[in-house]
Amino acid sequence: GQNIDQPTEMTATEGAIVQINCTYQTSGFNGLFWYQQHAGEAPTFLSYNVLDGLEEKGRFSSFLSRSKGYSYLLLKELQMKDSASYLCAVMDSNYQLIWGAGTKLIIKP
Amino acid sequence: ETGVTQTPRHLVMGMTNKKSLKCEQHLGHNAMYWYKQSAKKPLELMFVYSLEERVENNSVPSRFSPECPNSSHLFLHLHTLQPEDSALYLCASSQTPGQGAGEQYFGPGTRLTVT
Repeated sequence: GQNIDQPTEMTATEGAIVQINCTYQTSGFNGLFWYQQHAGEAPTFLSYNVLDGLEEKGRFSSFLSRSKGYSYLLLKELQMKDSASYLCAVMDSNYQLIWGAGTKLIIKP
Repeated sequence: ETGVTQTPRHLVMGMTNKKSLKCEQHLGHNAMYWYKQSAKKPLELMFVYSLEERVENNSVPSRFSPECPNSSHLFLHLHTLQPEDSALYLCASSQTPGQGAGEQYFGPGTRLTVT
């Protein structure tokens, strides 16, 4: 079957760096997405990786290793507004998104 | 209006009621999706429409009935729901899967409570 695993919850301190990991097993691969979802709001698109390596976008970076079925989202200089759930999703061979359950990130002052 | 809009934002309905959820996208996309989001569970894909044709129906109970009259509008008709159907229902749109990255853009969701 298809499976996406990510930690349920993480806690970090304002100003610090946090890495949220995602491992996947899917039928085919057409890219990996990270979304941010604040409580009570819709998910918003953060990043897309289809080739191995690191994609940097401001304070957020996303890494992919296709051979290991592994990705991480790196958040630097954490701010209180980064408190949210972070969703990992993989597009399979049928171009359908397979979603993880999300990682709730709690930022403490 | 910009992006993806959904109405209503909140809905409380009895098990014998009939109601409809509406979604509209203003992004020029040609694929639209309905998802169900329950607490601490992955997003569940319910229906996919691409170029106004349904291309995915993930074993969703018949009490949920989608309608896509054009590439900008999507409806989810609800009837004789069960309490376990209470959840956040999200609509999303994208370019046709396989054309570009295919990132999906979500509406704010409808919080549905079935009593």
